[in-house]
Amino acid sequence: DAGVTQSPTHLIKTRGQQVTLRCSPKSGHDTVSWYQQALGQGPQFIFQYYEEEERQRGNFPDRFSGHQFPNYSSELNVNALLLGDSALYLCASSRTGSNTEAFFGQGTRLTVV
Amino acid sequence: AQSVTQPDIHITVSEGASLELRCNYSYGATPYLFWYVQSPGQGLQLLLKYFSGDTLVQGIKGFEAEFKRSQSSFNLRKPSVHWSDAAEYFCAVADTGRRALTFGSGTRLQVQP
Repeated sequence: DAGVTQSPTHLIKTRGQQVTLRCSPKSGHDTVSWYQQALGQGPQFIFQYYEEEERQRGNFPDRFSGHQFPNYSSELNVNALLLGDSALYLCASSRTGSNTEAFFGQGTRLTVV
Repeated sequence: AQSVTQPDIHITVSEGASLELRCNYSYGATPYLFWYVQSPGQGLQLLLKYFSGDTLVQGIKGFEAEFKRSQSSFNLRKPSVHWSDAAEYFCAVADTGRRALTFGSGTRLQVQP
């Protein structure tokens, strides 16, 4: 079992550009959540996808959008990048409907210059 | 809205000494509580979780945590710390649907030889 995999591991973008991050959930998991972790802080919830729809959203602007595919993998898109978007982006997967925890990927380190 | 407070930003202990990391939560209903550990530049690994039942839960790597509803606390303990335990520790609470995780700001543990 490969666990939760994220790509790429590191990314450098210029302010104003757009970026797409990818996540493959752990085998058997159908729910994907995305978190932003700024340096020295705890992760902040961005949104969660289940059955290819956004089920819950945190306090993030519309520049942050996502998608879930039929195979449960997911993408996080950020438009009009700001310097403040520089962070570690974490993907977590879980299985709906049971007392299971979220498993996290290693994250994508995004640097906006 | 739920929240998590980790009062200690940084803790230093000697190898072999006992450890207690504090976590206080705010949540209206029965909480689902978690402790995660993060090594530098890495994702989050689950140490233990509390959903219901016995208030003293055992986790991996010799860690345990006790849920105290009257104090709204879920403190993490380990009787004897190893140098490899040096990392960032995050306490988190999940909402009723076990969807979004709300994290504390973390406690950085340093272990002295």
